Amino acid sequence: AQSVTQPDIHITVSEGASLELRCNYSYGATPYLFWYVQSPGQGLQLLLKYFSGDTLVQGIKGFEAEFKRSQSSFNLRKPSVHWSDAAEYFCAVGDNFNKFYFGSGTKLNVKP
Amino acid sequence: DVKVTQSSRYLVKRTGEKVFLECVQDMDHENMFWYRQDPGLGLRLIYFSYDVKMKEKGDIPEGYSVSREKKERFSLILESASTNQTSMYLCASSLTSAAGELFFGEGSRLTVL
Repeated sequence: AQSVTQPDIHITVSEGASLELRCNYSYGATPYLFWYVQSPGQGLQLLLKYFSGDTLVQGIKGFEAEFKRSQSSFNLRKPSVHWSDAAEYFCAVGDNFNKFYFGSGTKLNVKP
Repeated sequence: DVKVTQSSRYLVKRTGEKVFLECVQDMDHENMFWYRQDPGLGLRLIYFSYDVKMKEKGDIPEGYSVSREKKERFSLILESASTNQTSMYLCASSLTSAAGELFFGEGSRLTVL
C-alpha cells in the first residue's frame, strides 16, 4: 500500500541556516511526488513537484527537492531559511488514479 | 489562478445537527476531494469525485456523505454531527491528467459541541 513518512514532527532552525525536511514514500511504481506548505489557518500551497526527468527539482520561495529512487526519498531543502518560512510542510505521493497520499507533516519553527 | 472556495471558514454545531460544507472551484477541474486534517495525522481522504454525480469513498468515509450535482461544486455532508468530527476540513480540486496537482481551499474549521 502507498504511504508517506515524514519522520520529523517538529524542526527548529535559526534564520539564515540551511534546512532539510525528510520524506520517505512507499509506492510500487514511479511516483509523482509533491511538497506542499501550509501557513497557519490556511489551505495548502504547492511548493514543487516531481513527475519525471531531472531528479533535482526547483520550486517556489527558493525551495528544492531531490528524488532518490534507491532510498525512496524526496527530501526538501532550502539553503537559507527566512522567518516567513515558518509553517507546516507536507510531502505527498500521487498515483495514476488521481489519488494522493500525504505524510503527517513537519512543523518548522524559525528562530530569530 | 485556480480558486477553490470553501463557503465557511469557521462553524460551530451541536451534536446531532446536519452539517453542510460547500466547496466551489472555478477552473473546470474534473476531480474534487474532501480531506480531513488533524494534528499528527496529516490529511486523510474522506471522499473524492471524478465527475458530476460520481463519487468514491476515501480512507475515512464513515459518518460522511457527498454531493456533486454540478462540476464546479462538491459538498460534504455530516448527517448527524458528532464531537469526533471536530476537525479542519479541506477541499481540493485537480485535473484528470495523471496526478495533476491538487489546488486547495483555505479550509473549514468545524467544532461540534
